[in-house]
Amino acid sequence: GAVVSQHPSWVICKSGTSVKIECRSLDFQATTMFWYRQFPKQSLMLMATSNEGSKATYEQGVEKDKFLINHASLTLSTLTVTSAHPEDSSFYICSARDTGTEVTIYFGEGSWLTVV
Amino acid sequence: GQNIDQPTEMTATEGAIVQINCTYQTSGFNGLFWYQQHAGEAPTFLSYNVLDGLEEKGRFSSFLSRSKGYSYLLLKELQMKDSASYLCAVMDSNYQLIWGAGTKLIIKP
Repeated sequence: GAVVSQHPSWVICKSGTSVKIECRSLDFQATTMFWYRQFPKQSLMLMATSNEGSKATYEQGVEKDKFLINHASLTLSTLTVTSAHPEDSSFYICSARDTGTEVTIYFGEGSWLTVV
Repeated sequence: GQNIDQPTEMTATEGAIVQINCTYQTSGFNGLFWYQQHAGEAPTFLSYNVLDGLEEKGRFSSFLSRSKGYSYLLLKELQMKDSASYLCAVMDSNYQLIWGAGTKLIIKP
């Protein structure tokens, strides 16, 4: 079936540095991808909607200059956490909407970010 | 506003049946999803309902009533590995997913 690959699965970075997380749809095209953040024991929180070839739409309270999203192709979206701080440590999950069906959404495996 | 309600936690016995309910109020409706999420992992897709009725898939079934804004996920022959959080999500008129907070299901031997 359709697969969304997210990389890296785990990343540790120093405070003040930047880290990039990739989200790829492997066997379908995804005009729209979504980025979520989940803190321990909490529900998924949508951060932004990423549209291929245009600017991402950020949810209220999410800093667009801190969480840079690039959706340069129909199969790849990236999230860059800039100037990371320990409070950015979280589980980041992407999902991709299958352009062919427009409703089916598949999730990546998630990326654990720890900022030390 | 948009709202998805589901119980916070449920407990059931191995081998039994459990029903997890979800009620929703959203601006438009383009389907309801159920996802399973084990601790520390990304959610995995379980079911998608857009028409009223029951969809059966192995031990899992999902029901939808659009007029009542109501869905349930039915798990049969419960196994210990079914211990997880179950997330209900509705796709609104803008094709955005509105998430419930999830139901933590605890399976006891």
